[in-house]
Amino acid sequence: SAVISQKPSRDICQRGTSLTIQCQVDSQVTMMFWYRQQPGQSLTLIATANQGSEATYESGFVIDKFPISRPNLTFSTLTVSNMSPEDSSIYLCSVHRGSGAQYFGPGTRLLVL
Amino acid sequence: QQQVKQSPQSLIVQKGGIPIINCAYENTAFDYFPWYQQFPGKGPALLIAIRPDVSEKKEGRFTISFNKSAKQFSLHIMDSQPGDSATYFCAASMDTGRRALTFGSGTRLQVQP
Repeated sequence: SAVISQKPSRDICQRGTSLTIQCQVDSQVTMMFWYRQQPGQSLTLIATANQGSEATYESGFVIDKFPISRPNLTFSTLTVSNMSPEDSSIYLCSVHRGSGAQYFGPGTRLLVL
Repeated sequence: QQQVKQSPQSLIVQKGGIPIINCAYENTAFDYFPWYQQFPGKGPALLIAIRPDVSEKKEGRFTISFNKSAKQFSLHIMDSQPGDSATYFCAASMDTGRRALTFGSGTRLQVQP
């Protein structure tokens, strides 16, 4: 498995501001992902965080709104920019293991007022 | 092609019962099918996973049944307990290329004492 931590665990933010979420893994991993889980909903992939290159975004998500960094094989950040109440969600990072398994962090609960 | 359809949306069983959650997929390139359990306020936890080369996999009280020709798979929870009350998500991914998970819509399970 993998031990994954996220910071912050939750936050309440004002509209128009930005929040950077950190994801730290206890060992090197090739693939890291960022997902969004809106209240009472399933998980939707935002992007694949690529080490040493730009993230790969899914349809409906853009770099200007959700910039991602991946400076090394154990760490990534997701920024939610120019927030609106519609951005209120749980943001989750996950890591892929060679066995195919993916493990999730505890999530960051974001409320935008 | 990327969809994974999950049913039922919610399920109530008595303690000791065997809840069954079903999923269907369309993309035949999927070759890894995990189930996740999520408690309120927590990230999804990997429960059990299966690949298309086997028709059934058991881990403790959890069993996955897989029907490759029908493109369907299901989760069975034997001797269910109130502590199993959670939301369950099926998912699918590919071992090559895009390895991110495509999730079902989730099933909220309640096991009554």
